[in-house]
Amino acid sequence: DGGITQSPKYLFRKEGQNVTLSCEQNLNHDAMYWYRQDPGQGLRLIYYSQIVNDFQKGDIAEGYSVSREKKESFPLTVTSAQKNPTAFYLCASTWNEKLFFGSGTQLSVL
Amino acid sequence: EDKVVQSPLSLVVHEGDTVTLNCSYEVTNFRSLLWYKQEKKAPTFLFMLTSSGIEKKSGRLSSILDKKELFSILNITATQTGDSAVYLCAVEMSNTGKLIFGQGTTLQVKP
Repeated sequence: DGGITQSPKYLFRKEGQNVTLSCEQNLNHDAMYWYRQDPGQGLRLIYYSQIVNDFQKGDIAEGYSVSREKKESFPLTVTSAQKNPTAFYLCASTWNEKLFFGSGTQLSVL
Repeated sequence: EDKVVQSPLSLVVHEGDTVTLNCSYEVTNFRSLLWYKQEKKAPTFLFMLTSSGIEKKSGRLSSILDKKELFSILNITATQTGDSAVYLCAVEMSNTGKLIFGQGTTLQVKP
């Protein structure tokens, strides 16, 4: 099945720990995105990548890092510098100007 | 500052009612406006609007864009409990392709 796969669905982070959220797509889409969603708020862009080996900061990139070594994969690392990481994280890719979303990862702090 | 504002933030109706969700925007480089439905987790695409005054329809859902007054509405007629969801509006920037999302409208349809 074609689609965007995010893992894990639930993730817990300890104080001072870096954690990595996985996002894989087999849709052959060039552009991929990471969004953060907090309760009662819309989606906010963390990072995006329009092509392999290239990525740009979004509106709330501080405390996050990404890589894009392969077209299919766009992992997001939540570093210890991100002081309020509890949120729902959505990965997406675009085709024909339409966003296709993964099922999301809920990150919580222990 | 580019921004997208949705109203109301939440809405409770009964089955069979008609609802209108609003999305207004202020952006410097507009390309398109998109509506998404988010139930449980992943948002799903509903409509993309690029031209003023042309209504897009899909079943009981319809949407229209007014580029002069900078807003869009999403109408849902004869609502059903399955319409309960968060409805997200987003504007695509023409210079970067980035999307700016509104806060979302939470719709609850009661039986």
